[in-house]
Amino acid sequence: ETGVTQTPRHLVMGMTNKKSLKCEQHLGHNAMYWYKQSAKKPLELMFVYSLEERVENNSVPSRFSPECPNSSHLFLHLHTLQPEDSALYLCASSQDLGLARAGELFFGEGSRLTVL
Amino acid sequence: AQSVAQPEDQVNVAEGNPLTVKCTYSVSGNPYLFWYVQYPNRGLQFLLKYITGDNLVKGSYGFEAEFNKSQTSFHLKKPSALVSDSALYFCAVRPTGTASKLTFGTGTRLQVTL
Repeated sequence: ETGVTQTPRHLVMGMTNKKSLKCEQHLGHNAMYWYKQSAKKPLELMFVYSLEERVENNSVPSRFSPECPNSSHLFLHLHTLQPEDSALYLCASSQDLGLARAGELFFGEGSRLTVL
Repeated sequence: AQSVAQPEDQVNVAEGNPLTVKCTYSVSGNPYLFWYVQYPNRGLQFLLKYITGDNLVKGSYGFEAEFNKSQTSFHLKKPSALVSDSALYFCAVRPTGTASKLTFGTGTRLQVTL
């Protein structure tokens, strides 16, 4: 157990559906992240939140909408996705965005998303 | 822009033999370097990091990595591999002075056989 819990673990959705991924961390960390993992590609950083404030948005399409209601919870709202959005979505947290600590991430087990 | 290269998609090692998983990086300024491991159907787990100081850093599960500035490399090593080490390994780099730009490599699958 890493202290970061993601739900659901698996999600299948049509292109017109709206769904959400949830992440919760029990580590008292101040920074949370969404990453996209696709086969044979580097992990793609999508969003970064620090103390509930978004500090980075890496040119992610608007069909992905993050929400961070508090420092323990992070959501990724999904709507009108495309088949190429099928991937493993990983949530992570770090103590803060301090230079060294921000590289020491604690990951959840991921949400495997399939878009039909 | 920073980048990480893991030149091998897969590394095969017999149990008990030493293993090396290669990583080279490109970054402006001094790097912070990291290794992560991903077991099947799991998220990534932090293994070790180089921030400053001794070029040889030790991490979890008996792994170590050597920072070589002249070769811009940060290879992961273990003196004696175990079958349970079989997993996907990711190298990552972050330049000093930036808040959140951790860049990962594409990963190397390590297969340890009896």
